[in-house]
Amino acid sequence: DTAVSQTPKYLVTQMGNDKSIKCEQNLGHDTMYWYKQDSKKFLKIMFSYNNKELIINETVPNRFSPKSPDKAHLNLHINSLELGDSAVYFCASSQGDWRGTDTQYFGPGTRLTVL
Amino acid sequence: AQTVTQSQPEMSVQEAETVTLSCTYDTSESDYYLFWYKQPPSRQMILVIRQEAYKQQNATENRFSVNFQKAAKSFSLKISDSQLGDAAMYFCAYRSASGDKIIFGKGTRLHILP
Repeated sequence: DTAVSQTPKYLVTQMGNDKSIKCEQNLGHDTMYWYKQDSKKFLKIMFSYNNKELIINETVPNRFSPKSPDKAHLNLHINSLELGDSAVYFCASSQGDWRGTDTQYFGPGTRLTVL
Repeated sequence: AQTVTQSQPEMSVQEAETVTLSCTYDTSESDYYLFWYKQPPSRQMILVIRQEAYKQQNATENRFSVNFQKAAKSFSLKISDSQLGDAAMYFCAYRSASGDKIIFGKGTRLHILP
């Protein structure tokens, strides 16, 4: 069974559109994350949620809005997509509280291409 | 601010040989966690090994071990008996004990030569 899943795996869209990426984990973890990996493979955290509460909110444009309907899901919504948003987006989860000392389990990634 | 530096963008090693990937970091915190992740061509990030800063003993996972030098802020990964399946990007990562800072290095691409 897939522990952390993301949909879609690939997303190609036009500049200016709004899109969402979904993430689900079936590990019973309390904390979930979104990362962005750019074309140079640099991986940077964007958000972290613990039990639906926002814990980490790094400096990202407010066009990016995470939504956590329950602790097993953390979706990423992006408004007014720009060329620079093209990247691979990874969802991850970890057990435990927001101090997040536990190991993170990553999803397979979503490659977003903005044309 | 915390930083993580991987000074080797690419490395190659002969199959069955041993290779060491370097990672240095900078932090003013005394308690934190360090990780090595592997990213194969499939893109999925896979945890290789983890080290708690308060532990003096170096972490080991089968063929993977670390050399953690807290005073020098160094956290290198040693892969013994390299296998073709070890070919991937390897990322060093730092996490504050409070959990509010997570920083990855830029990665080292490891090639395994048959």
